[in-house]
Amino acid sequence: GQNIDQPTEMTATEGAIVQINCTYQTSGFNGLFWYQQHAGEAPTFLSYNVLDGLEEKGRFSSFLSRSKGYSYLLLKELQMKDSASYLCAVQDSNYQLIWGAGTKLIIKP
Amino acid sequence: GAVVSQHPSRVICKSGTSVKIECRSLDFQATTMFWYRQFPKQSLMLMATSNEGSKATYEQGVEKDKFLINHASLTLSTLTVTSAHPEDSSFYICSARIPGQNTEAFFGQGTRLTVV
Repeated sequence: GQNIDQPTEMTATEGAIVQINCTYQTSGFNGLFWYQQHAGEAPTFLSYNVLDGLEEKGRFSSFLSRSKGYSYLLLKELQMKDSASYLCAVQDSNYQLIWGAGTKLIIKP
Repeated sequence: GAVVSQHPSRVICKSGTSVKIECRSLDFQATTMFWYRQFPKQSLMLMATSNEGSKATYEQGVEKDKFLINHASLTLSTLTVTSAHPEDSSFYICSARIPGQNTEAFFGQGTRLTVV
């Protein structure tokens, strides 16, 4: 079967760095997406990785290792507004998106 | 990025009535749209894939007669929750992707449905 694993919840301090991991087992791979979702709102796109390596976009970076079935989202200089759920989604061989359960990130002052 | 608009954002209805939710792609044509349901503190659950001009594809366990999907044009898909019950109260979200491109999914704003 297809499976995406993420930690359920993480806590970090304002100004610090946090890494959210995602491991996957899917039937084929055509890219991995990270989305941010604030409570009561729709998800918003953060990043897309299809090749191995690190993609940096401002305070957010995303890493992919296809051989390990592993990705992480790195958030730097954390701000209170970064408190949200972070969803990992993998596009399988049929270009269907398989979603992880999401990681709730709590930022403390 | 592309824009997907969903309406209404919130709706409260009486048990036994029907509710229609609209999802529009504003600046691109979406041959396929996706309908998700999300319960509190849970992730997105794909309900069905809406295909323009043909029948929707429903995920296992989703009642097609209860959740009617119509995709009559390249920019509009609707989800009708028929004979709604309190257990149907949830956050419903639609999404679409630009055809032919390996791009991210664009989401509507979501609809908070409360059945009383």
